[in-house]
Amino acid sequence: DSGVTQTPKHLITATGQRVTLRCSPRSGDLSVYWYQQSLDQGLQFLIQYYNGEERAKGNILERFSAQQFPDLHSELNLSSLELGDSALYFCASSVDLPPGELFFGEGSRLTVL
Amino acid sequence: AQSVTQPDIHITVSEGASLELRCNYSYGATPYLFWYVQSPGQGLQLLLKYFSGDTLVQGIKGFEAEFKRSQSSFNLRKPSVHWSDAAEYFCAVVYMNRDDKIIFGKGTRLHILP
Repeated sequence: DSGVTQTPKHLITATGQRVTLRCSPRSGDLSVYWYQQSLDQGLQFLIQYYNGEERAKGNILERFSAQQFPDLHSELNLSSLELGDSALYFCASSVDLPPGELFFGEGSRLTVL
Repeated sequence: AQSVTQPDIHITVSEGASLELRCNYSYGATPYLFWYVQSPGQGLQLLLKYFSGDTLVQGIKGFEAEFKRSQSSFNLRKPSVHWSDAAEYFCAVVYMNRDDKIIFGKGTRLHILP
């Protein structure tokens, strides 16, 4: 158990819908990362937050947004969903910068029909 | 652009045989290098990391990796694989004094023959 909790584990929805993925980092970790894993693209970095502030941005679509709350949990919002958004979304946390180690949750599997 | 290349998408080895998984990173000053493993249905777990110092680093589960700056490589090795090593392996890099983006390679899936 990495200590990082992601909910929901599985989510099935339709095109055009909006979903929210939630991540609780390990206790004491200030930094949260979001990754998208798909078969063809591998593990793509989406965005990083540190203590509530956006710190780095990767290949995140404009339809996607994220935030980190004062209690350090983070949410990834995906809107106007398309079939191609079907993927495994991972959250990871770290205690330091640059990260000595990322601790990954088990992921949220999103299926868009 | 920062990038990590794992040239082998799939590798198959027999149980008990030695293993080497390749990883090359794009040139950059002072990289931090990592190897992670992902078992089916699981998140990624850190195997080992290199920040500085001895270029041969030991990790968990009997893995080691060697940093070769001249070749921009950080290959993962294990002298004798076990069936439980079947998983996907990811090399990753982050650069000091740039940002904190950790860039992952596309992964190498390891298959073990009995």
